[in-house]
Amino acid sequence: DIVMTQSPDSLAVSLGERATINCKSSRSVLASSNNKNFLAWYQQKPGQPPKLLIHWASTRESGVPDRFSGSGSGTDFTLTISSLQAEDVAVYYCQQYYSSSTFGQGTRLEIK
Amino acid sequence: EVQLVQSGAEVKKPGESLKISCKGSGYSFSNYWIGWVRQMPGKGLEWMGVIYPGDSDTRYSPSLQGQVTISADKSISTAYLQWSSLRASDTAMYYCARGGAPLVVLSSPNWFDHWGQGTLVTVSS
Repeated sequence: DIVMTQSPDSLAVSLGERATINCKSSRSVLASSNNKNFLAWYQQKPGQPPKLLIHWASTRESGVPDRFSGSGSGTDFTLTISSLQAEDVAVYYCQQYYSSSTFGQGTRLEIK
Repeated sequence: EVQLVQSGAEVKKPGESLKISCKGSGYSFSNYWIGWVRQMPGKGLEWMGVIYPGDSDTRYSPSLQGQVTISADKSISTAYLQWSSLRASDTAMYYCARGGAPLVVLSSPNWFDHWGQGTLVTVSS
């Protein structure tokens, strides 16, 4: 299994400030066949199913605000929220789909 | 509009069997992977496995293989997750979700772009 490790486990950021969540895979999820990183990001609010934010490490889903962005390649990835809004309070997960699939343990994002 | 509607909450005793369902609509059910994700109380997401309804190709998480069975009936656009003998540790919320890329775009299981509302399974004596 590819192990996905997120950091930090929890994060408190002031409204309007930048939030950065990291995700590290135990081996590369970059496919040579299409030069794409097999990584997605999700947001889960209490009592709701997860919501897909980003796939291919940096492709934002339709309707997702552009303050959310994904970056990274190989084994190291980042989800950035450029200007935190109150509605962004949630738990965020990364997922690799390069080999079978696994999720990271989650990062809880709160308002400072 | 793509929708995944899951069956209702279940309360079972250890050792009992169970089959929960997930009905898809608003898209070509046969052409997209559909998977199951477990979330134990207060914990994170765990990928359990997926099935491609078009040919019933099924992939399981190595850690869960043999503990559950994933199936699908494409004639009624429904996927299933079943247990033959439940344990207390199976208590969790179970989500079904659709693979974001159709097989013609990506042949392997991929990200999940639409999710069901979840089915809460409680196993207690």
